[in-house]
Amino acid sequence: DAKTTQPTSMDCAEGRAANLPCNHSTISGNEYVYWYRQIHSQGPQYIIHGLKNNETNEMASLIITEDRKSSTLILPHATLRDTAVYYCIAPLNYKYIFGTGTRLKVLA
Amino acid sequence: GAVVSQHPSWVICKSGTSVKIECRSLDFQATTMFWYRQFPKQSLMLMATSNEGSKATYEQGVEKDKFLINHASLTLSTLTVTSAHPEDSSFYICSANRAGQATYEQYFGPGTRLTVT
Repeated sequence: DAKTTQPTSMDCAEGRAANLPCNHSTISGNEYVYWYRQIHSQGPQYIIHGLKNNETNEMASLIITEDRKSSTLILPHATLRDTAVYYCIAPLNYKYIFGTGTRLKVLA
Repeated sequence: GAVVSQHPSWVICKSGTSVKIECRSLDFQATTMFWYRQFPKQSLMLMATSNEGSKATYEQGVEKDKFLINHASLTLSTLTVTSAHPEDSSFYICSANRAGQATYEQYFGPGTRLTVT
């Protein structure tokens, strides 16, 4: 797995966009970037993944830099239910190594 | 689709006893299942990887004789914590890869909270 680095915590106002960065400078050419989130005392929930191109689904958008050394997860209109720990993972094989993640707190 | 369940969702047991946790893929076949442990305010730590019909691969520092993993079918993996002690109290989470899936996406169960008294 490529090592990933994320800020420990972030706050975001409800209704605003939440932009969560992830650094994965050692990522190799065939490693995808996956994002999951974990709400307190639950299993992680898949959000989105990408390789080179930007991706969007009903939950979020993923912006990957051209050199693939970093990415940003965007929650376009954060709600209180988006308060969670967000993990960025770049697995080389099927095995995931979780970092500390970013604790996002959405404020009313 | 891609739902993973765990049973029980929580369990309390006495020190020295063994506890079995089940992980099931409900609507897909899982060639590979993973077991994680999570202590309060910490991240998930991978314990072992199991493939259907073969022995599990344990991460460094995880005692294979203490945490017995069986992956007997494409929809079921079990983790047995043998001779449990209070320090084994933790949140145990399983995940699964869908058979035939081209990507590394894992589907996670809701977790099992184990308390050893």
